[in-house]
Amino acid sequence: DAGITQSPRHKVTETGTPVTLRCHQTENHRYMYWYRQDPGHGLRLIHYSYGVKDTDKGEVSDGYSVSRSKTEDFLLTLESATSSQTSVYFCAIGGVRSPLHFGNGTRLTVT
Amino acid sequence: GNSVTQMEGPVTLSEEAFLTINCTYTATGYPSLFWYVQYPGEGLQLLLKATKADDKGSNKGFEATYRKETTSFHLEKGSVQVSDSAVYFCALSGPQGAQKLVFGQGTRLTINP
Repeated sequence: DAGITQSPRHKVTETGTPVTLRCHQTENHRYMYWYRQDPGHGLRLIHYSYGVKDTDKGEVSDGYSVSRSKTEDFLLTLESATSSQTSVYFCAIGGVRSPLHFGNGTRLTVT
Repeated sequence: GNSVTQMEGPVTLSEEAFLTINCTYTATGYPSLFWYVQYPGEGLQLLLKATKADDKGSNKGFEATYRKETTSFHLEKGSVQVSDSAVYFCALSGPQGAQKLVFGQGTRLTINP
């Protein structure tokens, strides 16, 4: 898994509650990414980071925020979870000359 | 904007059959193209890639050729195995910098013994 750990692996939460997903890497990669996977849509980029405290929006960033205070950790926060955010979330690392490596995903269910 | 279209699934084949999964793309500039594979309960793994026109990526018996004239990157394998059962994703990356991949919707492949 190229040294990527996502936590938690599964979470069930209620609508309106805040949720934070964590991605931890041991590869010292500069770039980290959060994707969501939904049937019929493949994977879509939520946010990415190109260094500590440097982040940018992806294709589907509404309702999500991210933070990267250390090279190894990239946090994804749903400030107020909605049912449309029920999905499988994948963290990835990789950069210009290296392919993306993905974590094993976090399955989030918002009831 | 950039987009990727894959053939609809699911695809079911018998062991040792020939496999083709179609992938076409729309992009500005000169993207790199990728095939990723996802086994049940796991994240995506890079299967193969091609970075310029006419490049052929290959791995584990799978091949795909970057065809700029037809904007395609079809995945092929001559003789599939049960262990090839997985979901396959075609993807492209944009300009230099972060690999902000754009994925197709995925094709679920099942191989029967």
